[in-house]
Amino acid sequence: QVQLQESGPGLVKPSETLSLTCTVSGGSISSYYWSWIRQPPGKGLEWIGYIYYSGSTNYNPSLKSRVTISVDTSKNQFSLKLSSVTAADTAVYYCARGVRGVIPYYYYYMDVWGKGTTVTVSS
Amino acid sequence: SYELTQPPSVSVSPGQTARITCSGDALPKQYAYWYQQKPGQAPVLVIYKDSERPSGIPERFSGSSSGTTVTLTISGVQAEDEADYYCQSADSSGTYLHVVFGGGTKLTVL
Repeated sequence: QVQLQESGPGLVKPSETLSLTCTVSGGSISSYYWSWIRQPPGKGLEWIGYIYYSGSTNYNPSLKSRVTISVDTSKNQFSLKLSSVTAADTAVYYCARGVRGVIPYYYYYMDVWGKGTTVTVSS
Repeated sequence: SYELTQPPSVSVSPGQTARITCSGDALPKQYAYWYQQKPGQAPVLVIYKDSERPSGIPERFSGSSSGTTVTLTISGVQAEDEADYYCQSADSSGTYLHVVFGGGTKLTVL
C-alpha cells in the first residue's frame, strides 16, 4: 500500500525558508492530490495546501502569500516551501494523499498520511 | 472564514457509547470526515463522506449527519480508542475549495 515519508531540516532560522519533501512509495503520484498539513505543539491540525500531480495548486488563504507546493513526478515526490518563517511556524508537518471529488458537491479529504516531521524555528 | 466547532473533551467508560459532535454552517452542503490521532502519531481517517468507514476501521466507529451537525459515534468504547478526534470538511463558498479542521476533541476512556 502507498506510504508517505517527510524529510527536511528539523531546525530553521527565523526569516528563512522552510523546505520539506514528501516521498511517495508503493504507488504512483499520478492521478491523486497531495497535501501538506501542520500541527503546532499541543494544538490542532491546520491545512496548508494541496497540489494535483499535474501541478495545479490550492493554498490556505492565511498562508498563501508564503507557501509554494510543487511536484516532481519523475521522483514520486512533492515539496513544501514556506518563506519568512517565525516561531509560530514551529510544528509537526505532515504530508498526505488527498481525494477530491465534485459530486454531489466539491469535496476533499486525506486518506493516507505520513508519520510527520518536526520543524522548529529558532535562531 | 468557515469554522467547525467540536467540544474540547468527551469522557466515557469502557463498553459505553461515545458521541463526538462537530457543527458548521456549511455541513448540510458538504461532507464531513473524521480523523483519530493518538499521542505522537499521525492522524488516521476513520470516517469519510459523513458515514463511510475505510477498510480496516472497526465497525464500532460510525458517522451520521443532521443539519449543521455531524456526529462520530464509537460503540462499545475500548481503552485503545482514547485519542484526539478531528472533524474536517471543506469550504467551497469562494473560488477555491479550502480544507477546514475542527479544533479537536480529546476522548478519555475512564
